[in-house]
Amino acid sequence: DAGVIQSPRHEVTEMGQEVTLRCKPISGHNSLFWYRQTMMRGLELLIYFNNNVPIDDSGMPEDRFSAKMPNASFSTLKIQPSEPRDSAVYFCASSGSPAAKLFFGSGTQLSVL
Amino acid sequence: RKEVEQDPGPFNVPEGATVAFNCTYSNSASQSFFWYRQDCRKEPKLLMSVYSSGNEDGRFTAQLNRASQYISLLIRDSKLSDSATYLCVVIRGSQGNLIFGKGTKLSVKP
Repeated sequence: DAGVIQSPRHEVTEMGQEVTLRCKPISGHNSLFWYRQTMMRGLELLIYFNNNVPIDDSGMPEDRFSAKMPNASFSTLKIQPSEPRDSAVYFCASSGSPAAKLFFGSGTQLSVL
Repeated sequence: RKEVEQDPGPFNVPEGATVAFNCTYSNSASQSFFWYRQDCRKEPKLLMSVYSSGNEDGRFTAQLNRASQYISLLIRDSKLSDSATYLCVVIRGSQGNLIFGKGTKLSVKP
């Protein structure tokens, strides 16, 4: 199994631009999580899907952030417009059930200039 | 109060030392607990689950104290390769949201 696949690995963009992060979970996993990690705040849960349905999006910072999971094998996290304070590592993770072991992707390092 | 709190460290210890990390959680309804390990510039990976009766995996021992709402991780005979950040994880509610602490950094020196 290829594991959780995230793209791009690195993204550098200018303030105000739209950013789209992509995630392919492990086949057969029905729970998908988006996390953001910074030195100051650690690993923060942004949103969590179960069977493609958003269960908890209370961690999404504001309306500039949106996430979708159109099918079991793909999810996107979009930031529009991006701001410098959005700079962080964004991780996608999947699991076979909500309380099971999480498998993380390698993350997307986002820098907003 | 943060939902999951850890001492950020760093803990600097010599090879062979025993080191212990604690983590406190605020939601008394939390049911499941884990320790994850994160190497520098890498993704977090599950180290071990934490069971009510305590559990051991080689040099690693995890304990849960529900009354005081804390979990602990003990590492015996530290190796250089144990150097990493150790993240305490609590599952919030029945929906399965995994909430991470900010992590405790361990550096094992020769």
